[in-house]
Amino acid sequence: SQTIHQWPATLVQPVGSPLSLECTVEGTSNPNLYWYRQAAGRGLQLLFYSVGIGQISSEVPQNLSASRPQDRQFILSSKKLLLSDSGFYLCAWNREGAWAYEQYFGPGTRLTVT
Amino acid sequence: EDQVTQSPEALRLQEGESSSLNCSYTVSGLRGLFWYRQDPGKGPEFLFTLYSAGEEKEKERLKATLTKKESFLHITAPKPEDSATYLCAVQARIKAAGNKLTFGGGTRVLVKP
Repeated sequence: SQTIHQWPATLVQPVGSPLSLECTVEGTSNPNLYWYRQAAGRGLQLLFYSVGIGQISSEVPQNLSASRPQDRQFILSSKKLLLSDSGFYLCAWNREGAWAYEQYFGPGTRLTVT
Repeated sequence: EDQVTQSPEALRLQEGESSSLNCSYTVSGLRGLFWYRQDPGKGPEFLFTLYSAGEEKEKERLKATLTKKESFLHITAPKPEDSATYLCAVQARIKAAGNKLTFGGGTRVLVKP
């Protein structure tokens, strides 16, 4: 079976500090991978997605970046955090279903920028 | 541009009081509509995929239905453990790069004993 991991689970960082969040998927190969941010009480905002190693597409201009150094590893980074970067960050992957492509989510990382 | 609107934003129910959540969507040809459940502080959990108007899916006390413009998630005789935020998402038929989903804002459901 497939599992998705994210770490850390929670993070408190000062404004201007760097960020690195990691996501790994087990039990599948060549997944599509996604980074979302969820503000308190809000829906999911897609930040980045990747269809393969080294292939990153950005959905929203911001001071975040993403990388995919290995097939099942997806990293979200920032050189200097802003207060507005606080939120719940979710990684997801998808597999081929009968027709549509549902996504499966990790446990998330709660980021608080102080 | 694909859009998903969920209503109500919040729903308070007594245990056993059945109700329905609405998900209205605009998409350039629907490939699939997805329902998720999200507990506080956790990632969304996949519930259902619906592909075409008239389709229905059931899981325990939940039943999802689909028309050409909206989907409903019916909660029958809810229990406190059904309390969660329910998210709806759509995927367009045109195979966009990355098989992206468009999510609604969610409905927060609280079931009181």
